[in-house]
Amino acid sequence: EAQVTQNPRYLITVTGKKLTVTCSQNMNHEYMSWYRQDPGLGLRQIYYSMNVEVTDKGDVPEGYKVSRKEKRNFPLILESPSPNQTSLYFCASSLFPTGAGYEQYFGPGTRLTVT
Amino acid sequence: AQSVSQHNHHVILSEAASLELGCNYSYGGTVNLFWYVQYPGQHLQLLLKYFSGDPLVKGIKGFEAEFIKSKFSFNLRKPSVQWSDTAEYFCAVGGSNTNAGKSTFGDGTTLTVKP
Repeated sequence: EAQVTQNPRYLITVTGKKLTVTCSQNMNHEYMSWYRQDPGLGLRQIYYSMNVEVTDKGDVPEGYKVSRKEKRNFPLILESPSPNQTSLYFCASSLFPTGAGYEQYFGPGTRLTVT
Repeated sequence: AQSVSQHNHHVILSEAASLELGCNYSYGGTVNLFWYVQYPGQHLQLLLKYFSGDPLVKGIKGFEAEFIKSKFSFNLRKPSVQWSDTAEYFCAVGGSNTNAGKSTFGDGTTLTVKP
């Protein structure tokens, strides 16, 4: 089954404790993205990747890191999480860029709480 | 910078009522527009998209949207809603040629359909 998976689905952590949220897709898609969803703010793009070792900032990259060492995986790293990063995070992938009309496929989301 | 504005944050309708959700974008280049839906407890999924050609696009579950370039709008419509259409709806625009991987989403509209 074609899908985007994320782990963990739920995470409660404390301020400053480094964490990684994994994302994997099995559709051989070139593009992958991370979003955060906050009430009233919709989805905001954090980072995106065009291919292995090629990433670029989205609209809200501060406090996050990403890497793309393999085509299928795109982990999101919070080196020193803070309470304002409490949010619902989505990973998404697309065969080619949305700017060329390709739709994104979304993962199930990771609900992160930073205390 | 590109932006997307959704006019209605929360819409409540009775079954069989007609639906129109507003979406306006600000972007000067060639646009690629998307509507996604997030049913309770489910992934975001594509409803429909506009890439080029016929400005009236049809999507899944009887939804359609019309791209009006002069008004920078891409409103979503359905002639008769069902209880199962209760969900959150997001309008999005794809990136430009130089930032084709960028995606900008609106704040979302929560639709509640009363049986």
